[in-house]
Amino acid sequence: QKEVEQDPGPLSVPEGAIVSLNCTYSNSAFQYFMWYRQYSRKGPELLMYTYSSGNKEDGRFTAQVDKSSKYISLFIRDSQPSDSATYLCAMSAMDYGQNFVFGPGTRLSVLP
Amino acid sequence: DVKVTQSSRYLVKRTGEKVFLECVQDMDHENMFWYRQDPGLGLRLIYFSYDVKMKEKGDIPEGYSVSREKKERFSLILESASTNQTSMYLCASSLSGLAGVDEQYFGPGTRLTVT
Repeated sequence: QKEVEQDPGPLSVPEGAIVSLNCTYSNSAFQYFMWYRQYSRKGPELLMYTYSSGNKEDGRFTAQVDKSSKYISLFIRDSQPSDSATYLCAMSAMDYGQNFVFGPGTRLSVLP
Repeated sequence: DVKVTQSSRYLVKRTGEKVFLECVQDMDHENMFWYRQDPGLGLRLIYFSYDVKMKEKGDIPEGYSVSREKKERFSLILESASTNQTSMYLCASSLSGLAGVDEQYFGPGTRLTVT
């Protein structure tokens, strides 16, 4: 079993739809969770991060962490064609020397 | 704005060649990383460095080495390129402290093809 699992997609939705992107993980020591967005032919860039369980909202984006289920989600409201990208989850145990473990990414297409 | 630059966007090399991939960051970051990105496998850490002349193996260091002679520059070396090293290579940097906490800033990537 991979340490972090993510549905690779591609996921196609119409403009304005609510998008739900998810990752599951197996390491219960993970405490720090990030979502990166990667446009085609570019490097990933940080979208949101959360620590431990709970929700965090930033504009149209909401990140949710459920540590009891080892499950994290990213919701995008009122999706736009400019949201079309690959979304990578990343997580860390926060111990010194522990680096991020990245999911394989979900490719999202928002159709106008 | 943090800027991470990589020396080449696309590179084609022959099997057995020695390959150098260069990465430069301009924000005085302590930590620098090299990843490879492959479809279905995501980002896998090859090496990272938390200080000049310091390096740590990541998850897949075999066939690679690194060099960090200056704080802003981190080089990835493929001693003898093989076809299974065909991949997208991404460099990243982060400020300091816990490597698994600070945001990592990524370069645009180098797509390496080994024939």
